[in-house]
Amino acid sequence: QSVLTQPPSVSGAPGQRVTISCTGSSSNIGAGYNVNWYQQLPGTVPKLLIYGDSNRPSGVPDRFSGRRSGTSASLAITGLQAEDEADYYCHSWDSSLRGYVFGTGTTVTVL
Amino acid sequence: EVQLVESGGALVQPGGSLRLSCAASGFTFGHYWMGWVRQAPGKGLEWVANIFTRQYGYELNYVDSVRGRFTISRDNAKNSLNLQLDTLRAEDTALYYCVREQIYNDKSYFDSWGRGTLVTVSS
Repeated sequence: QSVLTQPPSVSGAPGQRVTISCTGSSSNIGAGYNVNWYQQLPGTVPKLLIYGDSNRPSGVPDRFSGRRSGTSASLAITGLQAEDEADYYCHSWDSSLRGYVFGTGTTVTVL
Repeated sequence: EVQLVESGGALVQPGGSLRLSCAASGFTFGHYWMGWVRQAPGKGLEWVANIFTRQYGYELNYVDSVRGRFTISRDNAKNSLNLQLDTLRAEDTALYYCVREQIYNDKSYFDSWGRGTLVTVSS
C-alpha cells in the first residue's frame, strides 16, 4: 500500500499532452521532499526520467517535464509518441516511514 | 559505462534464506550510496534498503516490512553490494534490482539500475 497515489492509467492520441499526478501528504511531498520520476517500458528495467522535481537527466527529451506543488507532483508528456507507452512511477522520501516510497504507478497508452 | 549486475536469485521455501549480490563497474563504487528496489510479478516498485558511503557513516536504511529479516552490506574493495535475505515469506517474491543513488538535497534518486535477479518464495 503506497503513500503516493497515481491514476492507474492515462491515455492520449499521438501529439497530445497528458499529465500524471502523484498525490502525497505532509510527511512526504508536502514536507518539501523532492519528487523523482521513472519510466518502465514493457519488459524493461526502470529508467530515471525526472529528478529533483523538474530536472531531466542527459538524454531525456524535453517533452517530459515535472513539477511539485503542495502535497502533489505531476509529470507532463507533450507531443505524445508511441514510444512513450510505458509505466511511470513517482518517488520521494517519507519522514513518517523513514524511507523512500514509490507511487502506485500509471500506465500510459497511446491511442 | 555504469554496469550493475545482480546475482543470487533462486526458488526458496518459506522461512529460508538467500544472499543477493550486485557487481558494480564503470564508476567509483565507494563514492555512491547504493540500494535495492524490488518489483513483485505484475506489480509496482518497492524500495527495500540502502547503504550510505563511508563519508556518511555507512548508515543503513530498510523498509519496515524487511527490517530485522534483511541485511544490506557493501564491499568497496570488491565493488560489490549484497543483500542477505532471511526468514523469507511468500510476499518477498519479486525481481530485486540493484540501484546506484545520486544524492540530491540530502536525499537521493536512483540513476542507474541493474537488470534484476528473481527471488521466488514458495513451497
